Amino acid sequence: AQTVTQSQPEMSVQEAETVTLSCTYDTSESDYYLFWYKQPPSRQMILVIRQEAYKQQNATENRFSVNFQKAAKSFSLKISDSQLGDAAMYFCAYRRESNYQLIWGAGTKLIIKP
Amino acid sequence: NAGVTQTPKFQVLKTGQSMTLQCAQDMNHEYMSWYRQDPGMGLRLIHYSVGAGITDQGEVPNGYNVSRSTTEDFPLRLLSAAPSQTSVYFCASSYSTGIYEQYFGPGTRLTVT
Repeated sequence: AQTVTQSQPEMSVQEAETVTLSCTYDTSESDYYLFWYKQPPSRQMILVIRQEAYKQQNATENRFSVNFQKAAKSFSLKISDSQLGDAAMYFCAYRRESNYQLIWGAGTKLIIKP
Repeated sequence: NAGVTQTPKFQVLKTGQSMTLQCAQDMNHEYMSWYRQDPGMGLRLIHYSVGAGITDQGEVPNGYNVSRSTTEDFPLRLLSAAPSQTSVYFCASSYSTGIYEQYFGPGTRLTVT
């Protein structure tokens, strides 16, 4: 069974600096998708970035980028130039292809210090 | 477009009561799903549907029923509420089962006493 592990329950960063959130996963599938979602205090789940496993190039979305290491089963999220609005819970998710289920990590709470 | 809507936003039930959480989307999405979120854990899939008339169980289906009579609606029924079902429930939808983004509703916070 697939599992997703986020080893950092909480991270803090100074505004305008860079922070990296860690995510590892376990799977025997060769093709899959990985996602980072953001959940601010409003509780709304917001997609931050996605990565297709067959693509070697790391995905980027403005200040957000990933470091996808398929062999190591690692999928970290880098946030550059951190802003106060980035404060939220961040969840890493793996999409199981058998039933399209998203398998979620436990989340990392990101605190931005002004 | 309203996106994915859920009602109610908050609900308190007594043990043994039943209720239905409503979910609707106006994006003509084929795929819809229900998740629950508990403290310190990621979301867990309860049930999902790949189209009208087709539903299947996810990771934690016990105590819940679903049906999908239309593309737009995907209600979740709690048959006999238990304190273990205290959670935040999210409905999500996506255009299809490919890489398409899943859009989430605002969630329903359910407390069972």
